[in-house]
Amino acid sequence: EAGVAQSPRYKIIEKRQSVAFWCNPISGHATLYWYQQILGQGPKLLIQFQNNGVVDDSQLPKDRFSAERLKGVDSTLKIQPAKLEDSAVYLCASSAGGFETQYFGPGTRLLVL
Amino acid sequence: GENVEQHPSTLSVQEGDSAVIKCTYSDSASNYFPWYKQELGKGPQLIIDIRSNVGEKKDQRIAVTLNKTAKHFSLHITETQPEDSAVYFCAEALNSNYQLIWGAGTKLIIKP
Repeated sequence: EAGVAQSPRYKIIEKRQSVAFWCNPISGHATLYWYQQILGQGPKLLIQFQNNGVVDDSQLPKDRFSAERLKGVDSTLKIQPAKLEDSAVYLCASSAGGFETQYFGPGTRLLVL
Repeated sequence: GENVEQHPSTLSVQEGDSAVIKCTYSDSASNYFPWYKQELGKGPQLIIDIRSNVGEKKDQRIAVTLNKTAKHFSLHITETQPEDSAVYFCAEALNSNYQLIWGAGTKLIIKP
């Protein structure tokens, strides 16, 4: 079974620029998560989708972050404009829902200069 | 609000010895407690989990214990091996939203 795919793996941008991350979840998984992981910390949930609807985006900085899940499958997370404090690893995870296991992609490491 | 404290932040053990990582949580309604292992450059991977109606669960060299009264749970790794070196995260979740609240992580170092 193919795992969660993410791209790009690494991205370096200057502050105030825009960046987008892409995630392809495990086939059939209804729930998709985007997490932000700052070095030395646990993942922090940014947004949770159930199919193509948003379940929770309470911790998403909506003035600069946006996310969508196309047709309930792939998802993109965008930052516009980026700030220095956005430097982190952005993890995508998917699950079958409820307390089913969350499977994580390898993450995108973002560095904002 | 929900909060998970994880200790220690770094743990160094001799190969073959046991390692124990502890987490405490604040919300008595939490009822799902997974442990994830994260290797360098990879996403976290579930290694074991426990529900609130169970006190202990084992899977080969890995075990998790839960004390709901004291609101803490622990990961036990026996006969540690070099490939156990990684960062381990505990987490908790409620039935209401199934969202994971994560600890800060423990870097486990296995000394040869």
